[in-house]
Amino acid sequence: DGGITQSPKYLFRKEGQNVTLSCEQNLNHDAMYWYRQDPGQGLRLIYYSQIVNDFQKGDIAEGYSVSREKKESFPLTVTSAQKNPTAFYLCASSPRTVLTNEKLFFGSGTQLSVL
Amino acid sequence: EDQVTQSPEALRLQEGESSSLNCSYTVSGLRGLFWYRQDPGKGPEFLFTLYSAGEEKEKERLKATLTKKESFLHITAPKPEDSATYLCAVGYFIGGGNKLTFGTGTQLKVEL
Repeated sequence: DGGITQSPKYLFRKEGQNVTLSCEQNLNHDAMYWYRQDPGQGLRLIYYSQIVNDFQKGDIAEGYSVSREKKESFPLTVTSAQKNPTAFYLCASSPRTVLTNEKLFFGSGTQLSVL
Repeated sequence: EDQVTQSPEALRLQEGESSSLNCSYTVSGLRGLFWYRQDPGKGPEFLFTLYSAGEEKEKERLKATLTKKESFLHITAPKPEDSATYLCAVGYFIGGGNKLTFGTGTQLKVEL
């Protein structure tokens, strides 16, 4: 079945440590996104990518980094510069990048917590 | 400031008790309004897209409507399996670029 796979489901970060969240899609979608979800807040866009080897910052990119070396993969690194990383992280994709009139396909999320 | 507001924050219904969820927005240049369903610990699942005022879409017990200022998600004769958080998102054009803003969601609980 086509879809988006995120791993791991749960991740724990020690202070000063960088951690990487995996996101893989087999939908042949051009665009991929990373969102952060905190209780009581709407989803907030971290980074998005329209094509391989290109990506743009979203609303809350500070303390995060991404890469897009393959169309299927869009990993997110939470760096030690992100002082409040505890959140539910969602990866999404869409056939193209319009951000406005295309539905998003979401993965099942990664819960990141700080030890 | 462009905003998307969902109400109520939480809603508890008895099975079969119909109700509506609201998503109001103040953006200009609407490109699309989306409804998603999210179960605990899972990613959101797409329900509907509405593009222009007056548009309506239905799926099983759910019906989404759109005006120039708000959208409603009507739930008719809900069942316990309809319990979830319902998110709306508004896509619009601003400052030469595209933006998609999510509301904070309505947590729905349907009881027997």
